[in-house]
Amino acid sequence: DTGVSQNPRHKITKRGQNVTFRCDPISEHNRLYWYRQTLGQGPEFLTYFQNEAQLEKSRLLSDRFSAERPKGSFSTLEIQRTEQGDSAMYLCASSLAEGPTGKLFFGSGTQLSVL
Amino acid sequence: EDQVTQSPEALRLQEGESSSLNCSYTVSGLRGLFWYRQDPGKGPEFLFTLYSAGEEKEKERLKATLTKKESFLHITAPKPEDSATYLCAVQKGSAGGTSYGKLTFGQGTILTVHP
Repeated sequence: DTGVSQNPRHKITKRGQNVTFRCDPISEHNRLYWYRQTLGQGPEFLTYFQNEAQLEKSRLLSDRFSAERPKGSFSTLEIQRTEQGDSAMYLCASSLAEGPTGKLFFGSGTQLSVL
Repeated sequence: EDQVTQSPEALRLQEGESSSLNCSYTVSGLRGLFWYRQDPGKGPEFLFTLYSAGEEKEKERLKATLTKKESFLHITAPKPEDSATYLCAVQKGSAGGTSYGKLTFGQGTILTVHP
């Protein structure tokens, strides 16, 4: 399968712990996005990369959140000192920088539960 | 700030009963409007891109239209397999003429089609 892959699918953690999620985009895609989605809401933008450069980060994103994309391939999203309000589905998507840049290919997400 | 509002929040149809979903948006310098479908436990799946008022796109039983303030997703003779959450998203253009990467999503319309 050559789609966007996210790991783990589910993560349960205790408040105050750090968690890290991984996203493997479609291999030829140079843009990679992270979104967060809570029940009954649409995806909320967190950040995106073009190759290894982080081009935009949401103003709402706490400094407890950090994302990396070393070598412009896979990406990791780390949340430090998790809070119950961080519980959500974390979605990764990829696309090409050229052409219809709004055509994103999403992974199935990582469901985070903070107890 | 960019805003996307979808209505209704939920829609129940009988198989074969046609209807429309609405997406109202406020964005300065619209680059594109996008429709996605999301099944439970999965990431959104791209359906359509619309770039300018008057544009229409069709795919099977779905037809998307765009005006300067809103977009409609028309569903003709729906089937139970069309049941899903339908998401609308907007992307603004940049001053340099290239698009920003960020999509702003609405909260979605949950469509249920009964046999």
